[in-house]
Amino acid sequence: DVKVTQSSRYLVKRTGEKVFLECVQDMDHENMFWYRQDPGLGLRLIYFSYDVKMKEKGDIPEGYSVSREKKERFSLILESASTNQTSMYLCASSYRGPGGSPLHFGNGTRLTVT
Amino acid sequence: AQSVTQPDIHITVSEGASLELRCNYSYGATPYLFWYVQSPGQGLQLLLKYFSGDTLVQGIKGFEAEFKRSQSSFNLRKPSVHWSDAAEYFCAVGARASGTYKYIFGTGTRLKVLA
Repeated sequence: DVKVTQSSRYLVKRTGEKVFLECVQDMDHENMFWYRQDPGLGLRLIYFSYDVKMKEKGDIPEGYSVSREKKERFSLILESASTNQTSMYLCASSYRGPGGSPLHFGNGTRLTVT
Repeated sequence: AQSVTQPDIHITVSEGASLELRCNYSYGATPYLFWYVQSPGQGLQLLLKYFSGDTLVQGIKGFEAEFKRSQSSFNLRKPSVHWSDAAEYFCAVGARASGTYKYIFGTGTRLKVLA
């Protein structure tokens, strides 16, 4: 089974802190994704990557950046955390084939910014 | 622009009753469509997917979905709901983007099951 591991289940950070959310997958997937999930808004794509060192903006990239130095690891960075970034963050991965390759999700990181 | 609409935010059904969750998509090309389920505190789990071919697809846990191109819909169904089906359900479409595909999700439907 594909395993997508997010390093923290819960995080509490202060406004203005730099925050790193880490995600590792063990199935050699080319694609990796970061979503945030908010009640009533579903999952919104922040950034995605289809190869090492490649990144593409999703629908809500403002206030975030990403890093993909190794194929298995995809990091989401909040340069200066703000309270409106309090949310559930979900990492996912998939094969880079046609769009029918399903996503495999981690269990999420619930981030609270105070 | 690509989009997915799930018109029902909450649905409540009695255990043993049938279920249909609605999903409409907007995508110019042939869509790749998915249904995922999320139990409380968990990530999303794939229920089923549609690529091409037979428009009625079977998934795990007794779920099925029917692709109707003319209605741009991909509704999820289950003939008899179990209490353990209480969860949030997300419909998604795979859309071409930057040398790969990205996945666009609906806002979800939360299912409550009455004993």
